[in-house]
Amino acid sequence: QKEVEQDPGPLSVPEGAIVSLNCTYSNSAFQYFMWYRQYSRKGPELLMYTYSSGNKEDGRFTAQVDKSSKYISLFIRDSQPSDSATYLCARGGDARQLTFGSGTQLTVLP
Amino acid sequence: KAGVTQTPRYLIKTRGQQVTLSCSPISGHRSVSWYQQTPGQGLQFLFEYFSETQRNKGNFPGRFSGRQFSNSRSEMNVSTLELGDSALYLCASSLGGTGTNQPQHFGDGTRLSIL
Repeated sequence: QKEVEQDPGPLSVPEGAIVSLNCTYSNSAFQYFMWYRQYSRKGPELLMYTYSSGNKEDGRFTAQVDKSSKYISLFIRDSQPSDSATYLCARGGDARQLTFGSGTQLTVLP
Repeated sequence: KAGVTQTPRYLIKTRGQQVTLSCSPISGHRSVSWYQQTPGQGLQFLFEYFSETQRNKGNFPGRFSGRQFSNSRSEMNVSTLELGDSALYLCASSLGGTGTNQPQHFGDGTRLSIL
């Protein structure tokens, strides 16, 4: 079992839809969680960073962490074609080593 | 503020050669981490440096090595290249420091192709 499992996709939605991206993790030692967005031929771009259970909101993006069920989600409201990218969840611990999910490719259709 | 800069962006090598990749972190960031990204394995951690010292290492063979300079710039080296080393190599920087878990910011990577 991978330490971080991510819904593989691909996911295709119409413009304006609410997108839900999900990951689960298996190691309770994980302390903090991130969501990255990666466009083709670019490096991952940090979207959200959180270390506690609950919701964290930043504009159209909401990161949700449930440590009791080891579940993390990213919600995108009012999705735009420019949101089309691969989304990566990641967890980190004391070793400052990030473990990534396999990524979900999202396409937002105009 | 300039982001993480990686050079070169693209590199083509043949089996058996060695290669050195360079990374300049965000100004003020003292921790530099390296990752390998492939379609099959995704993003995998190679190693992390802080204050010129390797603090953590992933599960890669000894052919993969790195170093960090006093200005926090980092290089990674891969010797005796194999076809399976073809990948996007990503560098990430963070503020670092003992016991802190600062978010990591990535560069755009070096695309290494082995012929």
